[in-house]
Amino acid sequence: KQEVTQIPAALSVPEGENLVLNCSFTDSAIYNLQWFRQDPGKGLTSLLLIQSSQREQTSGRLNASLDKSSGRSTLYIAASQPGDSATYLCAVMNSGYSTLTFGKGTMLLVSP
Amino acid sequence: DVKVTQSSRYLVKRTGEKVFLECVQDMDHENMFWYRQDPGLGLRLIYFSYDVKMKEKGDIPEGYSVSREKKERFSLILESASTNQTSMYLCASRIGGRGRDQPQHFGDGTRLSIL
Repeated sequence: KQEVTQIPAALSVPEGENLVLNCSFTDSAIYNLQWFRQDPGKGLTSLLLIQSSQREQTSGRLNASLDKSSGRSTLYIAASQPGDSATYLCAVMNSGYSTLTFGKGTMLLVSP
Repeated sequence: DVKVTQSSRYLVKRTGEKVFLECVQDMDHENMFWYRQDPGLGLRLIYFSYDVKMKEKGDIPEGYSVSREKKERFSLILESASTNQTSMYLCASRIGGRGRDQPQHFGDGTRLSIL
């Protein structure tokens, strides 16, 4: 059964820092990997989706990489801002299925 | 933009009640999903539906059922609510067919308390 782990569970940084969030998964037979953002008491917002054949995706200050063979993905946030404070979740879609397996998230706090 | 609307943000019910959680999406998506989210356990899939009148069990279907009579609406039913079903419930939708290439779109969630 696929398991997704996110490290660290929580992270606190001053504004302006570049930071990396980590995601690992146990079964490399994935179809894609997705990163989501969740604000307190809200639903999830899709940030980036990486197909299994891709190595990375970029959107603004966000860059996500995927190393399928080693079962790892990273989300890089450049020049962090207080508005980036949220929980970031990683999810994988296994080949042959259309459902997602989620990690438990990294809670990020960016201080002014 | 895709909009997924959950009928209630907060709901309080009593043990043993039959509870209905409603979800509506406005983008003609074939696939719809119900999750629950609990501290320390993350998001877990309860049920999902590939199309109208279709349903599939997720990882934790016990104590729940679903209904998909119309494409835009996916209902989660707690047949006899229990305190261990107190949770945040999230609905999501996604285009079907090649939809695996597309992200799921989530509603804002319903925080359900069973007393």
